[in-house]
Amino acid sequence: NAGVMQNPRHLVRRRGQEARLRCSPMKGHSHVYWYRQLPEEGLKFMVYLQKENIIDESGMPKERFSAEFPKEGPSILRIQQVVRGDSAAYFCASSPDGAEQYFGPGTRLTVT
Amino acid sequence: GQNIDQPTEMTATEGAIVQINCTYQTSGFNGLFWYQQHAGEAPTFLSYNVLDGLEEKGRFSSFLSRSKGYSYLLLKELQMKDSASYLCAVRVEGYQLTFGKGTKLSVIP
Repeated sequence: NAGVMQNPRHLVRRRGQEARLRCSPMKGHSHVYWYRQLPEEGLKFMVYLQKENIIDESGMPKERFSAEFPKEGPSILRIQQVVRGDSAAYFCASSPDGAEQYFGPGTRLTVT
Repeated sequence: GQNIDQPTEMTATEGAIVQINCTYQTSGFNGLFWYQQHAGEAPTFLSYNVLDGLEEKGRFSSFLSRSKGYSYLLLKELQMKDSASYLCAVRVEGYQLTFGKGTKLSVIP
């Protein structure tokens, strides 16, 4: 059983561009979480999704950030008009039942 | 707000025992997790406590006291590969985890 997969592993964007981060959960997992980790900071919760539904987006910035988990395909975290402060590692975690979370390897976003 | 405190860094000797403490003040409590994270890699699950007491899993043990808002992770027979950051996380409500900043453990020969 493959683990949680994220791509790309590294992403470089210029200010103002869009960033799309993908997360494929473990097989059989229907719960997906996105976290952001800034340098020297702890992981911060962003959003919790189940198939086709956003359950909790209380940690997501109100503007420029959006997330989806369609019926088919990976979960997508989308950042529009990126700024330097968006540079961070973005981790996705999946769970079969909403309890124990298994993390992917992360996408390291650098905004130049 | 939610507050989770753990030491920033610790150093221990190969073969020794080390205890990493975590204290929390949160608006709710629905379980405490410990994760290990090597530099540049994903956090990996180590332990989960929801009731008071000690949970043992091989060289790793985790303790919880809900009345004191306190947990510790105990690592025995330290190995060089145990050099990593150890993250304490509390599930406050729902299913999201609130993480501390992590404790960077360096194991020296």
